[in-house]
Amino acid sequence: AQSVTQLDSHVSVSEGTPVLLRCNYSSSYSPSLFWYVQHPNKGLQLLLKYTSAATLVKGINGFEAEFKKSETSFHLTKPSAHMSDAAEYFCVVSDRVNSGYALNFGKGTSLLVTP
Amino acid sequence: GAVVSQHPSRVICKSGTSVKIECRSLDFQATTMFWYRQFPKQSLMLMATSNEGSKATYEQGVEKDKFLINHASLTLSTLTVTSAHPEDSSFYICSASPGTPFLSNQPQHFGDGTRLSIL
Repeated sequence: AQSVTQLDSHVSVSEGTPVLLRCNYSSSYSPSLFWYVQHPNKGLQLLLKYTSAATLVKGINGFEAEFKKSETSFHLTKPSAHMSDAAEYFCVVSDRVNSGYALNFGKGTSLLVTP
Repeated sequence: GAVVSQHPSRVICKSGTSVKIECRSLDFQATTMFWYRQFPKQSLMLMATSNEGSKATYEQGVEKDKFLINHASLTLSTLTVTSAHPEDSSFYICSASPGTPFLSNQPQHFGDGTRLSIL
């Protein structure tokens, strides 16, 4: 089974400073990786996805992630944090199930942005 | 973009009640939908894969008689929590994807979730 590990359960940054949310994956083949964001009591919104086309993936709201096979990592970054970025972030890998592919979620990283 | 609607958003009911949650794909057809459960401050755990016109596939440890799934059309899947008890209280989220479900790079579109509280 494919899995991901999010290395930090909480990250706190000041508004305007860079954001780094770390994720390592475990996969027996070239994985499909995603980052999703969840605001309180809401569903999940896709930030970006990696599907082997390009190792540096740009997503919405200024986020991007770089796939590094040598490090089995897919860290999420943003140059300058905004207050509205405060949310829960999930690194996700696609995994085969009987009827297709479902998603295996990391435990999540809670991002706090302080003024 | 693809929209998934989940209803209701919040349910509070007494122990022993059965609760039905609906998941609809509003602008696309979905032969496969997924149901997840999320405990407070925790990640999402896949409960089952809902297949249109056939039986759902449940993950290990999920009671199929407790969590009944019906996927009667290409745009609607329902999850019924039967005889709910306080330990069933959780946040339930569905997801679906347009196009073939057999592509690993197909992102899922999520409903806004249903907060279930059993008293």
